[in-house]
Order: sequence, then structure tokens, then C-alpha cells
Amino acid sequence: TQLLEQSPQFLSIQEGENLTVYCNSSSVFSSLQWYRQEPGEGPVLLVTVVTGGEVKKLKRLTFQFGDARKDSSLHITAAQPGDTGLYLCAGRYSGGGADGLTFGKGTHLIIQP
Amino acid sequence: EAGVAQSPRYKIIEKRQSVAFWCNPISGHATLYWYQQILGQGPKLLIQFQNNGVVDDSQLPKDRFSAERLKGVDSTLKIQPAKLEDSAVYLCASSLDRENEAFFGQGTRLTVV
Repeated sequence: TQLLEQSPQFLSIQEGENLTVYCNSSSVFSSLQWYRQEPGEGPVLLVTVVTGGEVKKLKRLTFQFGDARKDSSLHITAAQPGDTGLYLCAGRYSGGGADGLTFGKGTHLIIQP
Repeated sequence: EAGVAQSPRYKIIEKRQSVAFWCNPISGHATLYWYQQILGQGPKLLIQFQNNGVVDDSQLPKDRFSAERLKGVDSTLKIQPAKLEDSAVYLCASSLDRENEAFFGQGTRLTVV
């Protein structure tokens, strides 16, 4: 069973601050995706990273995939109240016939005005 | 482009009753997933279809859960009989193929009382 550990589990910060959340695994994933989920909604895809060491930017969000493709980080610059939500990382493990996404438990992020 | 459609949005049943959820994936998507998301946790894969065939159902409690995708398009997930611990959000997702990005529906929130 492939496990994804996310940290921190909860984070509450003031508007304008920077933050980083982490996603770690003991397994190598062929790709890793970050999702954001709001209450009552399904997860919405933010980014997919595939290559070790890859960095992708989405406005104030910066995503990095570890060189060994076992870990990833999400950095938010100048957080806004609209960034509040549950951030989920999910890895796709290609082994045998099963390649469904394995999710971490998520980071609950609250940005206070 | 229409997203993944799920119904119903909410369902409340008594334990030992049966319930069914429906999912219509994005047109042309060959891969369909059902996930269970318990409050405060990340989604857990229940079953993955590739067209009308099952790729992975290793985490599906087969004594009470069943799913089908007969024509390779829509899918239904059934629970019979339901237990209190089945209370969760049931998410359907689809992707163009097994290695592509997954897109989620809004989910069905099930409460078993």
C-alpha cells in the first residue's frame, strides 16, 4: 500500500503571509497531483508534476516535485482569504494493473483577513 | 465542456437499508473512479474502471458494496446493507485514460443513521 503523508494537517495564518505544505511518500510515483477542495465540493485539480525536480507556478502558488519523485511541496506567497480550503496531494503509482490516485489526508488551510 | 455529474447530492438512510449512487463521467473519458471520503480525511479509492472493465477493486468492501459500468459510460455504486461507518462523501472522477488527470464530480454526501 502506497502512503502519502501531508503536513501540516492544519494551518491558520494571517492574510499576506507565506506558507509551505508538504507531501511525502516512501514510494516513487509516476506523477503527482495537487488538488484544492472546498466544503461540499469535489477536489479541483491545481497542477500535475511528472519530472523529478520539476517546478510549476500557478499565480501565487509554486509546486515542486522532489528529485526522487517521492515528495512534493506547495508554497503560497502572500496568502489570500480565497486560498482557504483543503489541499490534497495525490500520487499515481504505476504498478501492475492498478494506477488509481492515492491521496494524502490533506492540509486544512485557513487564511484569516 | 460538461463536468462529471453525480446524483443525488445528499442521501440519508437508516442502517441496513440499501442505496445507489449514479455518475456520468466527462464525455470520452475511458477511466472512471469511485472514491470514498470520510470527514476530515482524503479520498480513498474504492474501484477503478477502464471502459466497462474493472482495473482495481482491491479496497471495495465486496460483501456490501458493488459497482458497475455496463456500457462503459455511466456508472452506479450500490451499498447493501449500509452501516453507520459508511457515512461519507462518495466521489466519482473520470480521466481521458489511466495516466491522465482525473476530474471530480461534486460528490454524494451519504448519512447513515
